[in-house]
Amino acid sequence: EIVLTQSPGTLSLSPGERATLSCRASPSVTSNYLAWYQQKPGQAPRLLIYGASSRATGIPDRFSGSGSGTDFTLTISRLEPEDFAVYYCQRYGSAPNTFGQGTKLEIK
Amino acid sequence: EVQLVESGGDLVQPGGSLRLSCAASGFTFSNYWMSWVRQAPGKGLEWVASIKQDGSEKNYVDSVKGRFTISRDNAKNSLYLQMNSLRAEDTAVYYCARYSSPSWYIDLWGRGTLVAVSS
Repeated sequence: EIVLTQSPGTLSLSPGERATLSCRASPSVTSNYLAWYQQKPGQAPRLLIYGASSRATGIPDRFSGSGSGTDFTLTISRLEPEDFAVYYCQRYGSAPNTFGQGTKLEIK
Repeated sequence: EVQLVESGGDLVQPGGSLRLSCAASGFTFSNYWMSWVRQAPGKGLEWVASIKQDGSEKNYVDSVKGRFTISRDNAKNSLYLQMNSLRAEDTAVYYCARYSSPSWYIDLWGRGTLVAVSS
């Protein structure tokens, strides 16, 4: 079973700054079947990135994903106030569809 | 409008049962794998179960195997989760979710329904 470890647990930044979130897989994720989701309080998650680097429909280009194998990164190039939320990575392609424990992005 | 709407969440005693429903609309339900994902209060997301388009393949997280059953009725555009032998640790918001076709990432989420297991 694949385990996804996200870091840091909490990231404190200011609007306009660059955010880098990490997701490490053990063992490796095949075919880059790695997705990123954003969740705001009281809301359902929203798909941001799939296939490790493809943006979902309607997602601003300040969001980008990269990586392969065991190390994946979600980058938000220039934080907007609405970007402060919790972010989850997820491995998909076969069961179980494991989620990482999440990274909380908070306003500094 | 493309949407998923869950219902059936409630307060139930430990050892009890509950059936969650998810009504799909705005898309061809029978073309998609579907799943349930839960989130305990203040915690992260946990994938619970998934089901193939025709119901012929089902998968479960180990912690619910033998207690929960996922099913679907394509004629009614509905997904279900029968939960038996409920435990306090099953307390969570349960989300109905659609897998993208042909890939397996989740591209559509419902708003969730709260299940609370307590005496």
